[in-house]
Amino acid sequence: GAVVSQHPSRVICKSGTSVKIECRSLDFQATTMFWYRQFPKQSLMLMATSNEGSKATYEQGVEKDKFLINHASLTLSTLTVTSAHPEDSSFYICSARDLGAGGTDEQYFGPGTRLTVT
Amino acid sequence: LAKTTQPISMDSYEGQEVNITCSHNNIATNDYITWYQQFPSQGPRFIIQGYKTKVTNEVASLFIPADRKSSTLSLPRVSLSDTAVYYCLVGDMKTGGFKTIFGAGTRLFVKA
Repeated sequence: GAVVSQHPSRVICKSGTSVKIECRSLDFQATTMFWYRQFPKQSLMLMATSNEGSKATYEQGVEKDKFLINHASLTLSTLTVTSAHPEDSSFYICSARDLGAGGTDEQYFGPGTRLTVT
Repeated sequence: LAKTTQPISMDSYEGQEVNITCSHNNIATNDYITWYQQFPSQGPRFIIQGYKTKVTNEVASLFIPADRKSSTLSLPRVSLSDTAVYYCLVGDMKTGGFKTIFGAGTRLFVKA
């Protein structure tokens, strides 16, 4: 199946700094990518939908100025956590949609990025 | 988006067949049903997807009754490595506008 990568796999940063997480679709083009956040023992929470060449659509309650999303190409979306605080520590997961020729949709998930803010 | 309801957790033993049922009473005509598996500190992994009746692949089967208001993921002869969280999702795949919203999932614990 298709592969989605994330970089870095884990990052530790100091409070007040910004962190960028990359999400790449390695063998397909993804017009749509999604960003999720997952706290321990909880389900994935959708943060935003990233469409190539246009502004991201954020879910209710997610601060767009704090979580900057850029989807400049069909294979790369980035999430920048600005002015990170300890409560932003979480597991961030991206996914990319591969709209197959048959019309059905398959969504592939990255391995996740563990962010720890100290 | 159709809401889904699954058991919070299930226990099983190695070698048994496990069936996890998901309720989606307000599923729409164009909605597909997709199941994902997630291990700790990893991204979800696609297991199987279906629209109606039965779908089978190398790892699981998906049973969908005629009214499509529920679905059952069947894992044959589970092993310890099948211990994970399983998510059932419902959405309209064909338009490409499907937002994947995860429910609470089912924590499956396989014992020796």
